Amino acid sequence: DTEVTQTPKHLVMGMTNKKSLKCEQHMGHRAMYWYKQKAKKPPELMFVYSYEKLSINESVPSRFSPECPNSSLLNLHLHALQPEDSALYLCASSHGGGRSLGPQHFGDGTRLSIL
Amino acid sequence: AQKVTQAQTEISVVEKEDVTLDCVYETRDTTYYLFWYKQPPSGELVFLIRRNSFDEQNEISGRYSWNFQKSTSSFNFTITASQVVDSAVYFCALRCPRSNDYKLSFGAGTTVTVRA
Repeated sequence: DTEVTQTPKHLVMGMTNKKSLKCEQHMGHRAMYWYKQKAKKPPELMFVYSYEKLSINESVPSRFSPECPNSSLLNLHLHALQPEDSALYLCASSHGGGRSLGPQHFGDGTRLSIL
Repeated sequence: AQKVTQAQTEISVVEKEDVTLDCVYETRDTTYYLFWYKQPPSGELVFLIRRNSFDEQNEISGRYSWNFQKSTSSFNFTITASQVVDSAVYFCALRCPRSNDYKLSFGAGTTVTVRA
């Protein structure tokens, strides 16, 4: 079982809906990440939080809005998504802050489909 | 700039065969870290190994072994006596703390299919 828990596992939403993806870890990691992965492609970094502060936004459209309520939780709020946003969304965490060189540990991901 | 090349898109083997996955990386940094991840159909990326640029020792973990050669900028991964459960996509990744702190540069991935 993964130590990074993501919910929901699957999500189908319309382009006008608002939904949120959730990620939780209890390993004491202080860096958390959101990735987007299209089929047969490697993950692409979206956001990095280090000590609950947004450190990196990889020019992600504003229809994706990350939030880090505390050191264990990471949310990704979705609004007015496009069909091309359908993908697997992976959360990861690593020891220490974002500058730590520990490996990133990933969750199972949320498979998102936009109708 | 950092780059990771996994030239093999797909590999198909019969159970108990050995399979070697190639990974070639590019960076001008002298300090860097290399990783291998496994992604089964369930979707989770499973961390397998991390190697830093100053440690060229090869490593063996059960049926898995890794060959790191700085001279050829390669970090190859071998699965010995493959099993059906080894079927997955395998990603090699590079992290260069000095020039691109947080980011993992992934290769395109190699899909391994092990047939019974």
